[in-house]
Amino acid sequence: DSGVTQTPKHLITATGQRVTLRCSPRSGDLSVYWYQQSLDQGLQFLIQYYNGEERAKGNILERFSAQQFPDLHSELNLSSLELGDSALYFCASSVAWQGGTEAFFGQGTRLTVV
Amino acid sequence: GENVEQHPSTLSVQEGDSAVIKCTYSDSASNYFPWYKQELGKRPQLIIDIRSNVGEKKDQRIAVTLNKTAKHFSLHITETQPEDSAVYFCAASIGGDDMRFGAGTRLTVKP
Repeated sequence: DSGVTQTPKHLITATGQRVTLRCSPRSGDLSVYWYQQSLDQGLQFLIQYYNGEERAKGNILERFSAQQFPDLHSELNLSSLELGDSALYFCASSVAWQGGTEAFFGQGTRLTVV
Repeated sequence: GENVEQHPSTLSVQEGDSAVIKCTYSDSASNYFPWYKQELGKRPQLIIDIRSNVGEKKDQRIAVTLNKTAKHFSLHITETQPEDSAVYFCAASIGGDDMRFGAGTRLTVKP
């Protein structure tokens, strides 16, 4: 167990719908990253938050948004869903002090858009 | 943003042989380079990392080398075992920020 909790584990929804994925980082970790992993593909960086503020942005679609709350949990909102959004969405967290530290991954949320 | 390229995409070795995976990065400001292993159906897990003030780091059968001038870093696995079979990802970041991953290498170790 990495200490990073993602809910739900599985989500099936229809095209055009909106969903929210939740991530609780490890205790003490200030940085949260979101990644998308399509079938047999790599880890596409979406966005990073640090202590409530957006820190870095990757290839995140305009239909997607995220935020980090004062208690440091984060949510990824996906709207106007398309079939191609079906993927495994990972959240990771790290202490992120200067120099870089290990990012711990949650077990992922598998999103299926039908 | 940072661009990380990883080669090869697939690698098959005989048990006991060595495996080498290579990555290049584009942003000279990157200073933290972790390697993750992802087994089928599981989350990625860190196996080793290196910072830009170090040229080489070793942990038992695993070693990583970094060439800052050429913006290359590599993962070396010696005496491979069937349980080393997995997908390996390299990554680059600036102090842990904006962590970008390579496309992954699927390593198969044949008994």
